[in-house]
Amino acid sequence: QVQLVESGGGLVKPGGSLRLSCAASGFTFSDYYMSWIRQAPGKGLEWVSYISSSGSTIYYADSVKGRFTISRDNAKNSLYLQMNSLRAEDTAVYYCARDPLLGGARLASFDIWGQGTMVTVSS
Amino acid sequence: EIVLTQSPGTLSLSPGERATLSCRASQSVSSSYLAWYQQKPGQAPRLLIYGASSRATGIPDRFSGSGSGTDFTLTISRLEPEDFAVYYCQQYGSSPRVTFGQGTKLEIK
Repeated sequence: QVQLVESGGGLVKPGGSLRLSCAASGFTFSDYYMSWIRQAPGKGLEWVSYISSSGSTIYYADSVKGRFTISRDNAKNSLYLQMNSLRAEDTAVYYCARDPLLGGARLASFDIWGQGTMVTVSS
Repeated sequence: EIVLTQSPGTLSLSPGERATLSCRASQSVSSSYLAWYQQKPGQAPRLLIYGASSRATGIPDRFSGSGSGTDFTLTISRLEPEDFAVYYCQQYGSSPRVTFGQGTKLEIK
């Protein structure tokens, strides 16, 4: 079935780094734009980054620009988020999510989500 | 930057009642790029509505979306017990590319 599975979360000290991964299955990963979205404990949703199907177009939220890097490996059906210079305010559940297609056009929403991976930044 | 403001923050209703949730944008949003999500505790969000008014796959027809420009509405025509959750609106546009509203909690009265 269509599925996204995140991994790589954990406890890291301020200033540290972490790399998240998202494994896709059940659909043609290389056709879809993908995003990372996070949710701090007890808070709302915050979009983090977007990557086009080929990886040629990338967007970041201002809060992570210059510190986080999104990438993908279509051969491995995988999405990544390299997180550097982590801060306490980066503590959150990180979701990967798919931007659906309809008739080949992006819907600019998120129809498939992973279960999330928790990142905790604390000394 | 487009800010989405959802109201009310909390909505207390009983099963069988009608729920009307609002999402107001600080600037005009393309109707093609306005979506609604439902999130239950401990779960990932679920896409309900895309393109302001199109139901996502498998979403019951008691859920409907409407609106344009800066004012959008999610209506649940007759609440079922499983509908009590937090609801978010989301837009896609210029920088930042994606923004979410702060959420409306729909609770059982």
